Amino acid sequence: DQQVKQNSPSLSVQEGRISILNCDYTNSMFDYFLWYKKYPAEGPTFLISISSIKDKNEDGRFTVFLNKSAKHLSLHIVPSQPGDSAVYFCAALTTSGTYKYIFGTGTRLKVLA
Amino acid sequence: DVKVTQSSRYLVKRTGEKVFLECVQDMDHENMFWYRQDPGLGLRLIYFSYDVKMKEKGDIPEGYSVSREKKERFSLILESASTNQTSMYLCASTRGQGYGYTFGSGTRLTVV
Repeated sequence: DQQVKQNSPSLSVQEGRISILNCDYTNSMFDYFLWYKKYPAEGPTFLISISSIKDKNEDGRFTVFLNKSAKHLSLHIVPSQPGDSAVYFCAALTTSGTYKYIFGTGTRLKVLA
Repeated sequence: DVKVTQSSRYLVKRTGEKVFLECVQDMDHENMFWYRQDPGLGLRLIYFSYDVKMKEKGDIPEGYSVSREKKERFSLILESASTNQTSMYLCASTRGQGYGYTFGSGTRLTVV
């Protein structure tokens, strides 16, 4: 049973436009969420996080939004750049539980020059 | 710069071989993890460890075992490699709750 879902396997966006990557979760006990970015043949690197006490967190071009009632989070990249082309994974954690994150299946973003 | 180092970037092994994947972190993290990444399936947890000599099964432990004899080293063992274990293997560590993982660069294992 997939507790964290990324329903779009791929997304193409024109350079300079906004990229929106979506993530849905089913477990209401999740209270900490992260986004990771992964290039081919490399390990994932941390991008941005958000705690359930917030509904938005911003870091430069990256903003994560959390809608707890809908059990939905999204990552906005503005403006998108060709170097943003990668696979993006969302991950969720219950901070009162173990340290193991549950990952989504990933969305491959392609930013077209 | 903190690091998680996986000893091999690419490996090719034969069916039935015993395979060792090594992971070392220099951050004094207690928590270490092994994931595999497959297209369309995301990252799936194989095993994790909260402390030396301690291990717990993740979501897909079948066909794998682990060893954590020292805090900095977490090894994944494929007892008898099979073709369905061809995958990208990722090691990660974390300081604890509320902190993200630091991942290694991954090992692309091909079993022929």
